[in-house]
Amino acid sequence: SQQGEEDPQALSIQEGENATMNCSYKTSINNLQWYRQNSGRGLVHLILIRSNEREKHSGRLRVTLDTSKKSSSLLITASRAADTASYFCATIGASGSRLTFGEGTQLTVNP
Amino acid sequence: DTEVTQTPKHLVMGMTNKKSLKCEQHMGHRAMYWYKQKAKKPPELMFVYSYEKLSINESVPSRFSPECPNSSLLNLHLHALQPEDSALYLCASSQQQGADRGEQYFGPGTRLTVT
Repeated sequence: SQQGEEDPQALSIQEGENATMNCSYKTSINNLQWYRQNSGRGLVHLILIRSNEREKHSGRLRVTLDTSKKSSSLLITASRAADTASYFCATIGASGSRLTFGEGTQLTVNP
Repeated sequence: DTEVTQTPKHLVMGMTNKKSLKCEQHMGHRAMYWYKQKAKKPPELMFVYSYEKLSINESVPSRFSPECPNSSLLNLHLHALQPEDSALYLCASSQQQGADRGEQYFGPGTRLTVT
C-alpha cells in the first residue's frame, strides 16, 4: 500500500522560480527519500533525510522533515526547464524492508 | 559504475507468449527489486531479492516468476500475461535490503505491452 500523499499533484512554474512539493506519510519512518522521474524513464535518487534530521541540502535542493506532523517538503530553487519531471517521496519504515512511494508531483518548468 | 541496465527497452507480447525481462548491476549491491509502474502512478513493489534469495513477494500472480541467478543479475519471467499487465517494469538495486542502505538505483525500465 502507498502511504505517502503528495501535494500538489501538478505544479507549473516559470524558469527561475522556486518549486515546493510536500509529502505526508502515516507511519513511523527510518528515513524519507525523494526521487525524480523523467517521462517514461527510471527513477533517480535525489536526497535522503533520516528521521533524526530536520533539514538537508544538496545543490539547489532543500528537504525538510517534520516527524511530529509526518510530513516533508522538497524545495527546488532557481528552477530550470530540465527540472521538468515527476517527483516522488518514498519512505522506509522502522523495519526497513521496503520503500513505499507517494503518489508523486508532476512539475513543469516553462522556459 | 553506478548503472542498472535493463533489457529489452520495449516488449510487445501476446497473452500466450513466454518472455523474460533482464536486469544487471555491477555495483556489488546485494539487494535487487522489481517494480511495476502504470502511467501517472508511483512504482509498486513486486519482488525483493536479498543475497540472491527471495525476500519479499508482494502477492504477485504466478504468471510473473522472478529469478536471481547471481548477485549481479535479476530476471523476470513472464507467461500467460493479461492486457492489464501492460506497464513499465523497473528494476532497482541497493547495497543491502534495509533502512541503512535504503537508497535505490533504478534502471531505465522495460515498457511492456500485452496484446
